[in-house]
Amino acid sequence: DGGITQSPKYLFRKEGQNVTLSCEQNLNHDAMYWYRQDPGQGLRLIYYSQIVNDFQKGDIAEGYSVSREKKESFPLTVTSAQKNPTAFYLCASSTRRFNQKNTGELFFGEGSRLTVL
Amino acid sequence: KQEVTQIPAALSVPEGENLVLNCSFTDSAIYNLQWFRQDPGKGLTSLLLIQSSQREQTSGRLNASLDKSSGRSTLYIAASQPGDSATYLCAVKKGRSYNTDKLIFGTGTRLQVFP
Repeated sequence: DGGITQSPKYLFRKEGQNVTLSCEQNLNHDAMYWYRQDPGQGLRLIYYSQIVNDFQKGDIAEGYSVSREKKESFPLTVTSAQKNPTAFYLCASSTRRFNQKNTGELFFGEGSRLTVL
Repeated sequence: KQEVTQIPAALSVPEGENLVLNCSFTDSAIYNLQWFRQDPGKGLTSLLLIQSSQREQTSGRLNASLDKSSGRSTLYIAASQPGDSATYLCAVKKGRSYNTDKLIFGTGTRLQVFP
């Protein structure tokens, strides 16, 4: 079945370490996104990519980095420069081919919960 | 700056009730609005998407309406069931063009339906 796979589901990190969260999709979607979710706050956009080898900063990109070498993959690295990395991270994708069937609907993975010890 | 607000923040109702969840946004120049469901510790599941030219969308017991001029959308859940318990989020896509890809999310309404 088509979908978005995030791994790992849970991740623990010591302060000062970089960690990479994986996001893979087999929906043939062009656009992919990383969001961060904190209790009591709406989802906030970290980075997004509309096409391979191109990505744009979102609202809270500081301390994060991404790459888009393949259409199917959009990994997120949480660097030691991110001051408050403990959060729930969500990857999403959408098609950019807008027609009657493809309406720009956003599809999400199951999320990765990162805890800094 | 677009802001999205959802009221109430939490709602607890007995099974069988019809519910209305509210979403308001400050800038009426939106491309579409999407309603999601999120179970605890899980990702978001898309429920309904309304294009800016549409007034409502229906899927099963769910009906979402959109009034751009007043900056409001409502999600109507008919005959609520315990399985409907989850957090419901709305999100608006900024701008008039599909090239503006960012969504702005509300903080959600946490719904509990008890037997």
